[in-house]
Amino acid sequence: LAKTTQPISMDSYEGQEVNITCSHNNIATNDYITWYQQFPSQGPRFIIQGYKTKVTNEVASLFIPADRKSSTLSLPRVSLSDTAVYYCLVGESSGNTGKLIFGQGTTLQVKP
Amino acid sequence: EAQVTQNPRYLITVTGKKLTVTCSQNMNHEYMSWYRQDPGLGLRQIYYSMNVEVTDKGDVPEGYKVSRKEKRNFPLILESPSPNQTSLYFCASSEIPGQGHQPQHFGDGTRLSIL
Repeated sequence: LAKTTQPISMDSYEGQEVNITCSHNNIATNDYITWYQQFPSQGPRFIIQGYKTKVTNEVASLFIPADRKSSTLSLPRVSLSDTAVYYCLVGESSGNTGKLIFGQGTTLQVKP
Repeated sequence: EAQVTQNPRYLITVTGKKLTVTCSQNMNHEYMSWYRQDPGLGLRQIYYSMNVEVTDKGDVPEGYKVSRKEKRNFPLILESPSPNQTSLYFCASSEIPGQGHQPQHFGDGTRLSIL
């Protein structure tokens, strides 16, 4: 399983775009990259997943370079309600394991 | 409403007194998992289950037991709790891992304090 490294914390202001980068140098060929968001006193919730290039949904964009050794979660025009912990997760290949490694996460603080 | 339900939400107990944290999901998911969350350490997987009667160790299984007798339930058992098991615990469920990661649905957490 690929280990992930993220910044421990980030600060931003309302209306700015926030980019959180995750390093995963040992990513395997079949591994996907997934991001979760966790608010205080709640369990994490799925935000976005990708394999390569770029993925966009109503919440965020995920940029993955060709070598896939890193990925960047992009949150456009953040608001105070985006203050949360963001986890990068790498794994699994086709159904042969249920083991997941979440890592420490990045605490994003959005200021007014 | 699709949900993962954990009970209790909060528990303060003493060293050595056996306890069980229940987890139930109503989405007919095959996969279930337990995590603990500690400051500075993020989420760490304790045990997971790919289906009924199939369980396996995560990264930090010592001191914990699980069982999966029914698809919807996945209790976490601490036979002899110790203070280092004081933590915030999350249960999660998903479709069986297949092509790509299946998004996990998490419960709201159980805060355990072992004195």
